[in-house]
Order: sequence, then C-alpha cells, then structure tokens
Amino acid sequence: DTEVTQTPKHLVMGMTNKKSLKCEQHMGHRAMYWYKQKAKKPPELMFVYSYEKLSINESVPSRFSPECPNSSLLNLHLHALQPEDSALYLCASSHRDLQETQYFGPGTRLLVL
Amino acid sequence: AQSVTQLDSQVPVFEEAPVELRCNYSSSVSVYLFWYVQYPNQGLQLLLKYLSGSTLVKGINGFEAEFNKSQTSFHLRKPSVHISDTAEYFCAVSDRAGNQFYFGTGTSLTVIP
Repeated sequence: DTEVTQTPKHLVMGMTNKKSLKCEQHMGHRAMYWYKQKAKKPPELMFVYSYEKLSINESVPSRFSPECPNSSLLNLHLHALQPEDSALYLCASSHRDLQETQYFGPGTRLLVL
Repeated sequence: AQSVTQLDSQVPVFEEAPVELRCNYSSSVSVYLFWYVQYPNQGLQLLLKYLSGSTLVKGINGFEAEFNKSQTSFHLRKPSVHISDTAEYFCAVSDRAGNQFYFGTGTSLTVIP
C-alpha cells in the first residue's frame, strides 16, 4: 500500500473559522510533510515532521498549526486564515527524510472567503 | 542554498515524438535530484531520481534523465510520448543532509494527437 490519503478533498472556510486538514499513511514512513501549492505554481514546503517531531518549519505564519499525533497521522490546524491562503494543500511522506522518494496525497483544495 | 530552474514553462509535442524537458540546478554542495509528475487534479508522483552512481537514470513510464555535473543539468527525456503523458513536470533538488527540498517552477507538457 503506497497510498497517502487526505481529508477533506475540498474545504471552504471563512476567515474566522477553525478547521483541520488530515493526512494518513500506512507505509511505515517516519517522515511526513505539508506543502502548499498555489495555482500554476510548484509546491512549497511548509512543515517537516521526522519521527513525530517537528524538524522544519519554513517560516509559516502561526495561523497554520501542524500536529503529528502518531507516526501514521498528520494534521494541519487552520485558524484565522486569509484569502491569500487559498491553495491546494498537499501531504507527503517518505521513509526518513527529504532525500528519499516522497509519496504524495491528492491534496485538499482550500478556499478562504 | 540550492535552486532549480526549468526554463520551459510549456512544451507542446505531437504524440509519438520525442521530448526533452530541461532542468538546471544551482548549489554550492552536492545534491540529490528528482523529477516528479503531477497529473491534473492529483498529487505528485516520482518519475526518477539521481542520488549517485550512473549519470543516466531510468524511471517509470519510459522516462530517463541524465545528470551532467559540468553543466549542472538534469534533463528529462522520453523517446516517444503518449497522450497520457500530458501533465505538469517538476524538477526538484534536495541537499545531502535532507534538510532542504525545492521544486522548480514546472513544465507543462501537452501531447497533441
């Protein structure tokens, strides 16, 4: 099973809402990632979790809050987002780190109104 | 720091013709190089990667790439494209410590029947 699942597929939220994106993998990978992808742009790395610990935060605003409850799950909590945060949010995982093959989920398409 | 340049934002090619997608990288240290493909409304999938050893790397779906250290290039090639190859292609680079990962701006490949 080389699948990374993400829920929900689509999300519309207002600027005062609180919502969460979820990501799950059962490949035994110990590294998980969040990326943000704007339309017609490449994915940009936001967060890296390694062995359930946050190892890289690429200067992401605090209105994005990641969480890794266990080695299979990765959440991204959203609060007080701005319209410019509308994007496709991709989750990925790999065995240990960014040098290795990353397996991507299909993404959550977020629209902030 | 590393960076990746994909000079061609769009490449149209007729079905069964060969194609080359160009990628150049910049880094002061040794790097790992990757090509990922993103089909419409999907996540990304690894096509191939160069870590070390033979400079000619073969990947999935008939793609191959050649690492050229003197020209700092990692161009992707396929001898005969199919309609199903229509997608966005991203070159990517990571440092050898696995602390950084950057995608290029992407090349949109359109295969014309």
